[in-house]
Amino acid sequence: QITLEESGPTLVKPTQTLTLTCSYSGFSLDTFGVGVGWLRQSPGEGLDWLALIFWDDDKRYSPSLKNRLSITKDTSKNEVVLTLTDVDPVDAGTYYCARRPVYGSGEGPFDRWGQGILVIVSS
Amino acid sequence: EIVLTQSPGTLSLSPGERAILSCRASRRVNSNYIAWYQQKPGQSPRLLIYGAFSTATGIPNRFSGSGSGTEFTLTINSLEPEDFAVYYCQQYGNSPGTFGQGTKLEVK
Repeated sequence: QITLEESGPTLVKPTQTLTLTCSYSGFSLDTFGVGVGWLRQSPGEGLDWLALIFWDDDKRYSPSLKNRLSITKDTSKNEVVLTLTDVDPVDAGTYYCARRPVYGSGEGPFDRWGQGILVIVSS
Repeated sequence: EIVLTQSPGTLSLSPGERAILSCRASRRVNSNYIAWYQQKPGQSPRLLIYGAFSTATGIPNRFSGSGSGTEFTLTINSLEPEDFAVYYCQQYGNSPGTFGQGTKLEVK
């Protein structure tokens, strides 16, 4: 059974750094073609793709947030970590991690999702 | 980046009817790499269709995708009560991958 679970702070102050962890099971991020990505959904809004890391450690970032994002993986722990620096209230929302399967290409599709973590940005 | 425009914004139908949702891209999507997701309130998105017409694992066959180039469609035949939700399209043929703004399918 494939699962992904997001963890991290639910409240951060403006200008702080947000660090979120995705713990996954049921698949290997060492498998050719597999990736794990992070996506965000602002309250009442649509979905935005943020970052993606592949089995070979290739990393991709949303151009609009590239300077503030970092994604890493630790396959020994089955974890993917997303870091977002200098957060602003507009960064609030639900953050999802999701698996990009072997049959995917580029930044999609995402076939398994975590339940999401709601992050509030407020002083 | 490619902008995806979904229409209509809201679709009001009754159970048993057919739903046709549209996703238009601002330019051609490479390899027709379009995915469709369903999201219900308080839940994560669920992959329905990938590669424009391939059905994801466990998805009922009343869901189908079609289209190419810049015009794509999700069709849901004979709506079930559990199908009323928000639907998003995503293109992943051109970097960065982008999502449409969603179509809300509501009970008439």
